[in-house]
Amino acid sequence: AQKITQTQPGMFVQEKEAVTLDCTYDTSDPSYGLFWYKQPSSGEMIFLIYQGSYDQQNATEGRYSLNFQKARKSANLVISASQLGDSAMYFCAMRLNAGNMLTFGGGTRLMVKP
Amino acid sequence: ETGVTQTPRHLVMGMTNKKSLKCEQHLGHNAMYWYKQSAKKPLELMFVYSLEERVENNSVPSRFSPECPNSSHLFLHLHTLQPEDSALYLCASSQDVRGPHSPLHFGNGTRLTVT
Repeated sequence: AQKITQTQPGMFVQEKEAVTLDCTYDTSDPSYGLFWYKQPSSGEMIFLIYQGSYDQQNATEGRYSLNFQKARKSANLVISASQLGDSAMYFCAMRLNAGNMLTFGGGTRLMVKP
Repeated sequence: ETGVTQTPRHLVMGMTNKKSLKCEQHLGHNAMYWYKQSAKKPLELMFVYSLEERVENNSVPSRFSPECPNSSHLFLHLHTLQPEDSALYLCASSQDVRGPHSPLHFGNGTRLTVT
């Protein structure tokens, strides 16, 4: 069975600064995908970034980057130059090669201060 | 219109009512999903459909009844719900039902309140 853990229930960051949201995972499957989603107060889950277990380089998408440390089973999301609109819940999720579930962590609420 | 669209955005229903949630995806995906998001709980997978065939029912009570008439549309029929069923119901789609590389794309959700 797979498990995703996000240990930070809430985080504050000053506008224009960088912030790291932690995510650790547990699986015995060698092939898996890791995803980060943003959920504003409106409710929509917005896909941000993807990292495959066999990818050699860390994924980047604009201001988002994923710090993938396979041996430590961590996939932290780094948001550079935070903006007020980044205030939201952030979810880390994992999908295995076998099975059709996307398993989510408990989420981290990020609050950007002006 | 692009992406995944859910209607209604908000729904209030009594325990004896029958209502339906609708989801439509315009991404040409082959798989569709219903997730439930309750306060202070992780997202829970409810149902998975691949090419209109249900491939997973995650121990969901029979008062929730999904329907997938084609690969673009997904419904969740609700009847005799309980107050603890109040939650945000999210629909999602993905290119492939299996495999680690295919992200899910979600709709805005329907916020359901059962009175």
